[in-house]
Amino acid sequence: SAVISQKPSRDICQRGTSLTIQCQVDSQVTMMFWYRQQPGQSLTLIATANQGSEATYESGFVIDKFPISRPNLTFSTLTVSNMSPEDSSIYLCSVEGGANTGELFFGEGSRLTVL
Amino acid sequence: GNSVTQMEGPVTLSEEAFLTINCTYTATGYPSLFWYVQYPGEGLQLLLKATKADDKGSNKGFEATYRKETTSFHLEKGSVQVSDSAVYFCALKTGGFKTIFGAGTRLFVKA
Repeated sequence: SAVISQKPSRDICQRGTSLTIQCQVDSQVTMMFWYRQQPGQSLTLIATANQGSEATYESGFVIDKFPISRPNLTFSTLTVSNMSPEDSSIYLCSVEGGANTGELFFGEGSRLTVL
Repeated sequence: GNSVTQMEGPVTLSEEAFLTINCTYTATGYPSLFWYVQYPGEGLQLLLKATKADDKGSNKGFEATYRKETTSFHLEKGSVQVSDSAVYFCALKTGGFKTIFGAGTRLFVKA
């Protein structure tokens, strides 16, 4: 199993500003995943972050809007840049369980409200 | 492409009622199938999984059987409790790294 801590747990932001979300895992992992959960909707994968390489972004998400850092095997950050009200969502950090289980472990999420 | 379709919610049941949440999928290859649960104010956590056809995943009284012929993975529980109130997500994962989630089904259980 993996324990994931995210900060901040929630924030209220002004339009046009940027916010960085931190994700800390209690064990070393190769890949970390960032998801967005818009109000009342399902999870959408934003990008996959590998240590030592550029993040891989899903269709509809770009690095300029959602820059990601992955400085080591236990930590990652996601920045939401130049925010608009449409960016109001829960942002979730996730890692996969070991031994090809396919199981994902999630942090509690960061709830962002953009005014 | 791969996709997951869940029954729309919310589903409202009385305590001790029988629960079924339907889930069907479209996938190339042979996916692993999952049910995740999100309790109020918490992150998602795995409820159960099945990795091949005819496998049955079970946990906390919940069950789901991987039906390849009907491409389904319906979640069932014989007697729900108030504490089961949550949002339930069906998901699939193929040989790649990406997990695809259904839209989620909110369950309310009344005492």
